Amino acid sequence: GENVEQHPSTLSVQEGDSAVIKCTYSDSASNYFPWYKQELGKRPQLIIDIRSNVGEKKDQRIAVTLNKTAKHFSLHITETQPEDSAVYFCAAWSDDYKLSFGAGTTVTVRA
Amino acid sequence: EAQVTQNPRYLITVTGKKLTVTCSQNMNHEYMSWYRQDPGLGLRQIYYSMNVEVTDKGDVPEGYKVSRKEKRNFPLILESPSPNQTSLYFCASSLEGENGELFFGEGSRLTVL
Repeated sequence: GENVEQHPSTLSVQEGDSAVIKCTYSDSASNYFPWYKQELGKRPQLIIDIRSNVGEKKDQRIAVTLNKTAKHFSLHITETQPEDSAVYFCAAWSDDYKLSFGAGTTVTVRA
Repeated sequence: EAQVTQNPRYLITVTGKKLTVTCSQNMNHEYMSWYRQDPGLGLRQIYYSMNVEVTDKGDVPEGYKVSRKEKRNFPLILESPSPNQTSLYFCASSLEGENGELFFGEGSRLTVL
């Protein structure tokens, strides 16, 4: 099965700075990599995703990059704002229809 | 409103007392799944279902059962709950299954004493 590792586990940034979260996966057959954001007490929600035929995808202040050769992908948040404070999870779909999540990164944006 | 509904949202029970957490989606999604969330461990998949009458084990299925008799419902059954099943549980569904966005329910916080 798929094994997804996520780093760092906590990240504190000054408002306006950038935040980067990195994930690695083990199953070379995985081809879809979503990122979910979970605010305190809420459910996880998809914020961006990337498929294996694309190296980078951007949506306003967030971007995701994928390196299939190295089996790692990253989330980049620019110009961080207080509402970006949350837990972020990376995930990878394996070819046996399982979605495996990383352990999560708690991002705190300091005002 | 498109949604995934879980019940109960909060439950305190005792070891060995069978319980069921219901999950229903109104989006006609093929794929449904259960996850448990524990501090430092992220979201771990318990069971998933690709379609009616098709279920399969996730990464942590021990102590749980599921059924998918109707497309919209995917209940999670704890036949004999134990304290190590104290957790936050999420049901989720997806139109496409693999490579599709997962829509999560609001979560069910279960405490087993």
